[in-house]
Amino acid sequence: KQEVTQIPAALSVPEGENLVLNCSFTDSAIYNLQWFRQDPGKGLTSLLLIQSSQREQTSGRLNASLDKSSGRSTLYIAASQPGDSATYLCAVIDDYKLSFGAGTTVTVRA
Amino acid sequence: GAVVSQHPSRVICKSGTSVKIECRSLDFQATTMFWYRQFPKKSLMLMATSNEGSKATYEQGVEKDKFLINHASLTLSTLTVTSAHPEDSSFYICSARDQGRTNYGYTFGSGTRLTVV
Repeated sequence: KQEVTQIPAALSVPEGENLVLNCSFTDSAIYNLQWFRQDPGKGLTSLLLIQSSQREQTSGRLNASLDKSSGRSTLYIAASQPGDSATYLCAVIDDYKLSFGAGTTVTVRA
Repeated sequence: GAVVSQHPSRVICKSGTSVKIECRSLDFQATTMFWYRQFPKKSLMLMATSNEGSKATYEQGVEKDKFLINHASLTLSTLTVTSAHPEDSSFYICSARDQGRTNYGYTFGSGTRLTVV
């Protein structure tokens, strides 16, 4: 069974600082990995999808890396803003099934 | 991109009643949709996989008679919580993937907050 861990569980940074969010998984035989953002009481918004053949994906200030051999993915958010405050979830995709971490709750202080 | 709409966003019901939650894919057809449950400060738990035109596949420990799933068309799946009890109070989210745009990954609805009183 795939186990997904996100560390840290919570993070508070001043505006402008770069964010580094970690995701680890136990079974490296994955199809893809997807990062999501969740605002309180809301659904999930997709941020980045990394396919298993890729090592990273970038979108604006966001960059996600994937190292299957070590079972790790990292989401980098450059020059954080208060609007980046949310919970960030990673999901490991095995065939059609998603296994989620518990998330990292980020607070960016103005 | 792919859009999934979920309704209602919030519902309060009395114990013993049933509640129906709808999940629609707006700009693509989805032969498969997924229903998740999220507990406070916990990760999402897959409850069941909804298959168009056939029976849903439930995860271990999920009561199929309590959580009825119907996927009658390629754009609509419904989850009915039957004889709801306070312990069913939770956040329910549906998901689907546009098979024609797999590089988009999975798209989620906005979620439904169910409160059973």
